[in-house]
Amino acid sequence: QQPVQSPQAVILREGEDAVINCSSSKALYSVHWYRQKHGEAPVFLMILLKGGEQKGHEKISASFNEKKQQSSLYLTASQLSYSGTYFCGTVTNTGNQFYFGTGTSLTVIP
Amino acid sequence: DAGVTQSPTHLIKTRGQQVTLRCSPKSGHDTVSWYQQALGQGPQFIFQYYEEEERQRGNFPDRFSGHQFPNYSSELNVNALLLGDSALYLCASSQGAYEQFFGPGTRLTVL
Repeated sequence: QQPVQSPQAVILREGEDAVINCSSSKALYSVHWYRQKHGEAPVFLMILLKGGEQKGHEKISASFNEKKQQSSLYLTASQLSYSGTYFCGTVTNTGNQFYFGTGTSLTVIP
Repeated sequence: DAGVTQSPTHLIKTRGQQVTLRCSPKSGHDTVSWYQQALGQGPQFIFQYYEEEERQRGNFPDRFSGHQFPNYSSELNVNALLLGDSALYLCASSQGAYEQFFGPGTRLTVL
């Protein structure tokens, strides 16, 4: 039931954009996005509830397509501070278990 | 407002021993979840506590048990430690099923 993320890894230059995808085999109640830097705990970015909403936070936004059980995280005009591993997390319609995705390593270089 | 706190920060145990990890949730949060994160892997859900009861459980053996106290703080107990239990143990708190805030984690090393 672990969501699958793509790509597994991406390297960007400062100012470039990136999209990270998260796909689940189960019907979803919510999708969460986290960023984790090496040696640190995951940091919450945003949550999307079913209803196809899109959310934004400065230059980071996300969408949730509940029919396709997919979510995408959009990072625009990337900054060095965006480097880290991004995880989606999902809660299915049938339970309270939280599943982290497979993770996407993002590296922003000058 | 203090965020999620965990103790201890680091712990070294030997195989077969037992360990207790502690977590205090963020103020106003009533739900505590525990995760195991092995090196280079994503966090794996262990279980979630709400109203002092285990509400959901991931695919972990019974050696892993927990407790939630009336003040919403929580403990994770692991018995009969195995080398493979070495990991970062993360606690996250939330208000119901909404955004989770993570503590800094406890690094457990089993020798």
